[in-house]
Amino acid sequence: GAVVSQHPSWVICKSGTSVKIECRSLDFQATTMFWYRQFPKQSLMLMATSNEGSKATYEQGVEKDKFLINHASLTLSTLTVTSAHPEDSSFYICSALPGQGFTDTQYFGPGTRLTVL
Amino acid sequence: AQSVTQPDIHITVSEGASLELRCNYSYGATPYLFWYVQSPGQGLQLLLKYFSGDTLVQGIKGFEAEFKRSQSSFNLRKPSVHWSDAAEYFCAVGPTGTASKLTFGTGTRLQVTL
Repeated sequence: GAVVSQHPSWVICKSGTSVKIECRSLDFQATTMFWYRQFPKQSLMLMATSNEGSKATYEQGVEKDKFLINHASLTLSTLTVTSAHPEDSSFYICSALPGQGFTDTQYFGPGTRLTVL
Repeated sequence: AQSVTQPDIHITVSEGASLELRCNYSYGATPYLFWYVQSPGQGLQLLLKYFSGDTLVQGIKGFEAEFKRSQSSFNLRKPSVHWSDAAEYFCAVGPTGTASKLTFGTGTRLQVTL
């Protein structure tokens, strides 16, 4: 149980285009989802916290107009990288926090590798 | 603010040898502590977690970790490493009472030689 999927697993796009990444909790409902960014050989950096039905909370230094987050249902959150540029190339990881009874563990998706040309 | 330090960037051990990965944290109260493993193409998998109680925590795949408040440490151990344990290991700390707002260490890459 507690499986989180991400789609796509990798994407290559041209500079200036927008890319949407989906994060789904497959077998549980997640009232809270998180989006992380991971640079090569570095740790995960929390970008934003996404709560179902409300606006995401962004960490300091993260451009909310660049990284649009939508958490429209209890099983789906999306991250849209708008007007992507090469410096946005990174590994994006989502995680989900179960909504009832098991709020003590984040479950992670496999990540999405974004390359902006 | 909470922080996590994993002093070893890269560790190499022989298969069958014992393993200890170090993790030191900084947090004002008793934190939630986690160890995750990241393999290529897979998401972070939870190995074990500590919230309270017994300071020696057993996890999956034969891993254990010991919480030492006096040393602000939560080191991960395994008595006999298997080649399949080669991966990146992350220690994380969260505020008391919630798994939100996790802060991750920089990770330790484990290489296993046959």
